[in-house]
Amino acid sequence: GDSVTQMEGPVTLSEEAFLTINCTYTATGYPSLFWYVQYPGEGLQLLLKATKADDKGSNKGFEATYRKETTSFHLEKGSVQVSDSAVYFCALSDRNRGSTLGRLYFGRGTQLTVWP
Amino acid sequence: ETGVTQSPTHLIKTRGQQVTLRCSSQSGHNTVSWYQQALGQGPQFIFQYYREEENGRGNFPPRFSGLQFPNYSSELNVNALELDDSALYLCASSLDSPDSPLHFGNGTRLTVT
Repeated sequence: GDSVTQMEGPVTLSEEAFLTINCTYTATGYPSLFWYVQYPGEGLQLLLKATKADDKGSNKGFEATYRKETTSFHLEKGSVQVSDSAVYFCALSDRNRGSTLGRLYFGRGTQLTVWP
Repeated sequence: ETGVTQSPTHLIKTRGQQVTLRCSSQSGHNTVSWYQQALGQGPQFIFQYYREEENGRGNFPPRFSGLQFPNYSSELNVNALELDDSALYLCASSLDSPDSPLHFGNGTRLTVT
């Protein structure tokens, strides 16, 4: 079945450091891929998405490229800030299987802490 | 535009009891999905409702049930609560199109003692 494997945390970085959080997926169809962020005490917020191979999603300085050949969707940011401290979830959706209604398969999440 | 709202924010129940969680979807959204997020884990899909009918279900027993109302709001009901049901329950709404992202509420924290 569909699944997501995400780099285990926690990840601790100094402000302005480079961030990579690895994510690989298993899917039988052509999924859409997502990164969600969860701040303390809040629900999930969509950070970025990519719907087909070689697409690059980007938002707030974060980027991820949909790599079909390596089944990966790694999250990167060139210079992290203290305000980026949160839990990051990689997810995939089976929406592209001809169904307009799908569900998300999430990874376990990676806790990021950025120190000033 | 009103976002997804969930109530209550926190709840404590005893094993064997029943609980109802509520969700108001974002304005204009006709699809509601429910997820369970155990501590330190990613959210797990429980089920989805579209046009007041269940449309897809995850690996959860029948004691997890739901409803969607004509105004697209939704309820999650859990009977015969077990200790392992302690989790954050997230509701998400969306449109019924492939590119419509899920909009999540802040969740209900359920503790079963």
